[in-house]
Amino acid sequence: SQQGEEDPQALSIQEGENATMNCSYKTSINNLQWYRQNSGRGLVHLILIRSNEREKHSGRLRVTLDTSKKSSSLLITASRAADTASYFCATDTGKLIFGQGTTLQVKP
Amino acid sequence: GAGVSQSPRYKVAKRGQDVALRCDPISGHVSLFWYQQALGQGPEFLTYFQNEAQLDKSGLPSDRFFAERPEGSVSTLKIQRTQQEDSAVYLCASSLAQGIIYNEQFFGPGTRLTVL
Repeated sequence: SQQGEEDPQALSIQEGENATMNCSYKTSINNLQWYRQNSGRGLVHLILIRSNEREKHSGRLRVTLDTSKKSSSLLITASRAADTASYFCATDTGKLIFGQGTTLQVKP
Repeated sequence: GAGVSQSPRYKVAKRGQDVALRCDPISGHVSLFWYQQALGQGPEFLTYFQNEAQLDKSGLPSDRFFAERPEGSVSTLKIQRTQQEDSAVYLCASSLAQGIIYNEQFFGPGTRLTVL
């Protein structure tokens, strides 16, 4: 069973635009992590935000966390074709519980 | 090697066959995890090792699934009497520290299992 729901399920944008993905979850968490998965490959850790943090940045990535709404968002600014991948949020409740993912396509 | 490796990368099995999937974690990583990822879904937790101890196997879907890490490094996930619903990508991940909280997990490329 998966804890999170991600929205949208699929997103298609032009290179240079920003992409926003949302994640909602159900239970209390220790932290929330975002991963990227390129087609046919394993997952790559992008960023971890702790439950007492509200916002975190890493390069072109910005993650927010609202524990009162049990939701998080991942913003990728100035997207590139190489950002095309599936993006998953994972909540850490003592084990990682992944959402179903958002498939992002960035058109050159 | 520099990352987590898994073998084989692809496995086709006839229904009823037993399969063994191998994971080589990053050297020195204490924690090791197995996940199952169905097509179009996110990974689902199967089991967790801290060194050679299997601390959590709550995600194993049935008693046909068995995992071991006898020397605290390489791990094997064994599936007995495979069924079509076992078809999925099996991902292995490792992390440096003990426990799960706050620890980044490094994933292998996965083994794609197809049961005919």
